[in-house]
Amino acid sequence: DQQVKQNSPSLSVQEGRISILNCDYTNSMFDYFLWYKKYPAEGPTFLISISSIKDKNEDGRFTVFLNKSAKHLSLHIVPSQPGDSAVYFCAASAVDSSYKLIFGSGTRLLVRP
Amino acid sequence: EPEVTQTPSHQVTQMGQEVILRCVPISNHLYFYWYRQILGQKVEFLVSFYNNEISEKSEIFDDQFSVERPDGSNFTLKIRSTKLEDSAMYFCASRTGYGEAFFGQGTRLTVV
Repeated sequence: DQQVKQNSPSLSVQEGRISILNCDYTNSMFDYFLWYKKYPAEGPTFLISISSIKDKNEDGRFTVFLNKSAKHLSLHIVPSQPGDSAVYFCAASAVDSSYKLIFGSGTRLLVRP
Repeated sequence: EPEVTQTPSHQVTQMGQEVILRCVPISNHLYFYWYRQILGQKVEFLVSFYNNEISEKSEIFDDQFSVERPDGSNFTLKIRSTKLEDSAMYFCASRTGYGEAFFGQGTRLTVV
């Protein structure tokens, strides 16, 4: 039961260009969405989040867009830097008893110098 | 900056042995979690813990698994009789409720 899907396992972009990572979800009860960055053998590191009452949230080079009707969100990184190379996970949670996060399968981003 | 700490960073155990993975969540957080990631796969939810009891668990979290918060600071995951397929990275996380969840650096469990 894949409630959160990241259909692109990998993405390669040139340094300085825009990186766009996509995420789809199926559970309409999700009301909070997060993006995490992960390096091998390390824990996920929080990047940016968005509540379902918003359609955009921006933090420096990172912007997350939410399209509730399409059940789709995206992470834009502008400009991309080689240090951004990592696996990016989309996650979602619903207001329930546990606030657990459900993760997508991740997208490996490679930013080429 | 507050952080979630996990010990050990790497644990090797023989099949059938018990292991205990330890975590110190962020002190003012209310919700505590264990997740795991099998090599190359997604981060999977195992269990959530709130108000000194399990609030939700996944189908992965069977009778071989248990969690405890024995002293108000440590949060442990016990696997009673490890199997080869338990080999994975195990992540502890904590959260105030709504908002970001903070993750520890993980424990790599290798069952041989």
